[in-house]
This record gives sequence, C-alpha cells and structure tokens, in this order.
Amino acid sequence: DAKTTQPNSMESNEEEPVHLPCNHSTISGTDYIHWYRQLPSQGPEYVIHGLTSNVNNRMASLAIAEDRKSSTLILHRATLRDAAVYYCILDSSYKLIFGSGTRLLVRP
Amino acid sequence: DAGVIQSPRHEVTEMGQEVTLRCKPISGHNSLFWYRQTMMRGLELLIYFNNNVPIDDSGMPEDRFSAKMPNASFSTLKIQPSEPRDSAVYFCASTRGTVGELFFGEGSRLTVL
Repeated sequence: DAKTTQPNSMESNEEEPVHLPCNHSTISGTDYIHWYRQLPSQGPEYVIHGLTSNVNNRMASLAIAEDRKSSTLILHRATLRDAAVYYCILDSSYKLIFGSGTRLLVRP
Repeated sequence: DAGVIQSPRHEVTEMGQEVTLRCKPISGHNSLFWYRQTMMRGLELLIYFNNNVPIDDSGMPEDRFSAKMPNASFSTLKIQPSEPRDSAVYFCASTRGTVGELFFGEGSRLTVL
C-alpha cells in the first residue's frame, strides 16, 4: 500500500486559513487521495477526496500537485470545532489505511 | 438517515469472557468495514465485507476474533476469549460501492480487565 507522510501536529488561529500538507511520493496512477478527520471521542468523518484535479466542497478544498506526489487540505477559516486529527489516505483498491495523521490545534 | 449504528457504546468485561459488538450499516450500503483504534497502533482495518461476503480479513489479529454479516443490515464482531490487550475502540463503517465516502459509527469502547 502506498504511504503518506504528514506532520504530527499543526497550530492555527481561529478564523485564519489552514493548509495541511501530505506527501505521497509512491502514489500510483489510480490512487484517489482521501482526507478524513476525527474529532475527540468520535469516529472518523469524511472531508474530501480527489484524483488529479483540485476539489472544493462545503468543508474544505483539496489542492493536488501536478505530479500527484503531494496534496494540501485547505480549511478556509478555521474554527474551534475544526480542532481534530486530520488523516490523508490513499485509496488502493477498497482499503482505506489510516496513518497517524496531523493533530490540528486551533487557538481562539 | 440514522447513520451507522453500533452497540454497545461501552463494554467492560473480564478477561476470558466473550464479547460481541454489533453494527447496523446505513441502508443501501453494500460495503462494511470493522476498524480498531488504540493509542499505540492508531486505526487498524480488521475486516472488510462486500455484499455480506468477507473479502479481506487479513487485519483480524488472531483466531480469537471473528466477524459475520448474516444480512445487509447487520454485522457482528466477536472476541472469544477476550484479553486485556483487546481493549480499544472498535469502529464500524459502511459505504455504497467499494470506497467512496466512508461513514463511521460512533464506536464501541471495550475495556477488558
């Protein structure tokens, strides 16, 4: 399974944009890039996914590098409720294998 | 829709006892996953069902663990006999098709004394 590398933690101020990076240099041509987040004491929650083009939804934007070896999850205005662990995952066949993720701290 | 429903939410048991965790996937979803989460190992995929058939159980730790999906609306994860190292939060997730947006339940927190 292709691996992803994320920083262990990041901090942000409330109402400022947050850019969460993910490296996946061994990604294959058919791997989708998924982002999930896990709020304290809850199950993981889908955020966004994409293949090659940048994607936007109501929660976030996903910027995918042209060579697809890295991607960035963008939260346009962080709120305190966005404090969570964010997981970047490559979809190889049916399996979503979660790594250790990035713990996002949001300062008021 | 009610989402993925798991029960019990919390279970405390003694070593050697049988534990059964239950999951009701979202109606219409044909893929179901069981994950386990611990501080040490993070989120681990245990088993994956598609159309009620176990497709990949390579993540099941050992023979003490078994999972069934007798119909499209119900799955169980059984541990017999349970051990303290099985203490974890067990999540069930479902999706339509293979992998798109995976919907997770709230988890079952298991403590084995």
